[in-house]
Amino acid sequence: RKEVEQDPGPFNVPEGATVAFNCTYSNSASQSFFWYRQDCRKEPKLLMSVYSSGNEDGRFTAQLNRASQYISLLIRDSKLSDSATYLCAVDNQAGTALIFGKGTTLSVSS
Amino acid sequence: SAVISQKPSRDICQRGTSLTIQCQVDSQVTMMFWYRQQPGQSLTLIATANQGSEATYESGFVIDKFPISRPNLTFSTLTVSNMSPEDSSIYLCSVDGQTGDQLNTEAFFGQGTRLTVV
Repeated sequence: RKEVEQDPGPFNVPEGATVAFNCTYSNSASQSFFWYRQDCRKEPKLLMSVYSSGNEDGRFTAQLNRASQYISLLIRDSKLSDSATYLCAVDNQAGTALIFGKGTTLSVSS
Repeated sequence: SAVISQKPSRDICQRGTSLTIQCQVDSQVTMMFWYRQQPGQSLTLIATANQGSEATYESGFVIDKFPISRPNLTFSTLTVSNMSPEDSSIYLCSVDGQTGDQLNTEAFFGQGTRLTVV
């Protein structure tokens, strides 16, 4: 099992749609979880951290399920500008660096 | 978050040559990392650059191929040695978002170096 796995997509949705991404991780001892956004030919940028209790930032909601070892990202009311690749990241065995999934590509169309 | 400057932003190199990529941070950071992102792939951690000691390499990466320097808490270099076309990739410098505490350590990235080996 890979350390961090994501459905690569692409997810093609119309504006206003709700879309959800999942990411599974193999290290049950992981403590840190994040979602990053990467635009074409750009570096990844932190979208949000994922906390045990779940957290929300505007149209974005992140959740953590430790029992099943996955994190999720929900985007409501999708905008054209949400089109990007979304990477999940989990800390490594030593807890010193982040391991990234391959990313899920989202394309929002009008 | 720290401001990370990486250079060069891109380069085209002949096979067999070496390229050194520089990463400068505007504040002192505990952890600095080097990642590689090959076309259509996600980020793969190459190594952790340790200040004052040898870098810690991930499986599949070795010091002879990717020597790393970290002379202080704001600067690091990654050299891609004896390049081949398979080394064509984006190389990204990254720093952690906190000082000292390993928990909830989000990473911030430089703009990346797009390397093409011909």
